[in-house]
This record gives sequence, structure tokens and C-alpha cells, in this order.
Amino acid sequence: KQEVTQIPAALSVPEGENLVLNCSFTDSAIYNLQWFRQDPGKGLTSLLLIQSSQREQTSGRLNASLDKSSGRSTLYIAASQPGDSATYLCAVPYSGGGADGLTFGKGTHLIIQP
Amino acid sequence: EPEVTQTPSHQVTQMGQEVILRCVPISNHLYFYWYRQILGQKVEFLVSFYNNEISEKSEIFDDQFSVERPDGSNFTLKIRSTKLEDSAMYFCASRYDIPAGQPQHFGDGTRLSIL
Repeated sequence: KQEVTQIPAALSVPEGENLVLNCSFTDSAIYNLQWFRQDPGKGLTSLLLIQSSQREQTSGRLNASLDKSSGRSTLYIAASQPGDSATYLCAVPYSGGGADGLTFGKGTHLIIQP
Repeated sequence: EPEVTQTPSHQVTQMGQEVILRCVPISNHLYFYWYRQILGQKVEFLVSFYNNEISEKSEIFDDQFSVERPDGSNFTLKIRSTKLEDSAMYFCASRYDIPAGQPQHFGDGTRLSIL
């Protein structure tokens, strides 16, 4: 059964810092990994999707990397801003194979101090 | 930008009653999903739906749950006889086509409170 772990559980940093959020998964037989953002009381916003054949994906100040063989992904946020404050979730396909319901980590709760 | 819409935003129901949660996926999407998030816990997969049938379900999705696409636009989740532990945020998601290439897009959720 796929398990997803995210470290740290919470992070509070001053504005402007670069930061790294970590995600690990137990079953490396995945075909993609998705990072989401969740604001309080809101749904999930897709940030980045990395295919298993890719090593990284970039969108603006966000960069996600994937090391499938070691079961790890990182989300790098450059020049953090108060608007980046949210919970960041990592998710991989549920069965680890051809199906694609997602298994989520508990998330990293990020606070960017102005 | 197209989005997944869910109604109602908050549903309060007595234990034992049936409840139907509604979703309108993005119009050209072909795959549909339901997830739930109990307060303070992880988002959990319930079921996926493609070509008018369930393609995958988790152990949470027991006989009390059912899904339906009654017309070309709506996708519903029915809980037959609600329990206190069904209280959670329920999210609908959809995606376009090829499994490997397309992200899932989520709605804002329905908060279900069972009294």
C-alpha cells in the first residue's frame, strides 16, 4: 500500500527566503507525482505535475524535483512571499501502477512572515 | 479558467439520512473522482469514474456509497445512511485524458456535517 510522508509538518519563515518542502513515498512504481496548494476552507489547487520520466518541473518561483528510485520529491519555493502561506500537499497515484486515484501526504503548513 | 464546481458548500444532515453531494466537472474532462478530508487528517481517495462506470475505489467506498453521472454535466456522490464518522469535507475532481499527462483539478468541496 502506498504511503506518502511530508516533512516538515509545519514551517514558518520570514519573507524573501528560499525554502524546500520534502515528500517521500513508499512504492516507487508511480507514473507521476502532483504538488497541490490548499488554502484554509478551500479546495486543492494543482501547482505542478511531474511525470515519472522527468526529473524536475518549473512554474514561476516553484520548482519540483522527482527521484523515483529513492521515492522522493522536493518542492522548492524561491523568494517566498506572504501570499505563499498555505498547506502544500504531495500526491501520487493510489495503486502505484496504472490506476490514478491519488494518495496524499498530510502536507506542510507554511507560514511566510511579512 | 474552467473550474470544478460543487454544491452545496455546506450540508447538515441527521445521522441515518441519505445525502447527495453534487459536482459539475470541467466540461471536456473524462475522468471523475471523489475524495474526502476528515478535519485535521489527510485527503483520502474514495472512487474514480470513467466511461460511466467505477474504475477504481478505496476500502472506504463501501456499500453505503454510490456515484452516478445522471446527465452530461453532473457527477454525484450518494451516502445512503449517514454516520457521524462521515462528517468531512468532500472534494470532487476531474481530469482530461491520458493518465500520465494530465493533472487532476479539484473543486472547493462540500463540508458535510452529520448530527
